[in-house]
Amino acid sequence: DAGITQSPRHKVTETGTPVTLRCHQTENHRYMYWYRQDPGHGLRLIHYSYGVKDTDKGEVSDGYSVSRSKTEDFLLTLESATSSQTSVYFCALSGPGFYEQYFGPGTRLTVT
Amino acid sequence: DAKTTQPNSMESNEEEPVHLPCNHSTISGTDYIHWYRQLPSQGPEYVIHGLTSNVNNRMASLAIAEDRKSSTLILHRATLRDAAVYYCILGGNRGGSNYKLTFGKGTLLTVNP
Repeated sequence: DAGITQSPRHKVTETGTPVTLRCHQTENHRYMYWYRQDPGHGLRLIHYSYGVKDTDKGEVSDGYSVSRSKTEDFLLTLESATSSQTSVYFCALSGPGFYEQYFGPGTRLTVT
Repeated sequence: DAKTTQPNSMESNEEEPVHLPCNHSTISGTDYIHWYRQLPSQGPEYVIHGLTSNVNNRMASLAIAEDRKSSTLILHRATLRDAAVYYCILGGNRGGSNYKLTFGKGTLLTVNP
């Protein structure tokens, strides 16, 4: 295991409420990523981070923001959740050789 | 981004070898070929990667065509635990901005006992 935890693992929330998902690593790796996975789609990159306070957008970043104030934590925030953001969210980090990514267990988010 | 093409599904028998194909005819010279798999209700798991030469690790082997337009992931003896969706992905050679994985729909591998 690459020492990645995600919290919460499951969440149900109402449309319009803010939601923050947390990804925590114990590996001190520089690069971290947030993906979402929906039926009929592969995983799609939302945002990624290449260091503390250094982040950039992925292919489906609209409606999401991220923050990384310390190496071990990468937060994904839905400012005002919508039903289209119902999904499974995976955090990942790059391995020491950069060639591989290690994924967390996922967070299942339902927006009603 | 260069695309990959994989069969939607494949079936194999336990303890037999499995060859999972991937076509990537528009691969660029700097694209690495990565394979990940995703077991049911879990996050993706790194399997193997390569650039030009065939690669082996404890999980699998990766055979890359000489023109690099196709590759094959080889599981030498399939087990029930190998039943998963297998993703073939082209990516850069460094972390961060040059290393964004673009997942397709992958190949669903079923392993029969």
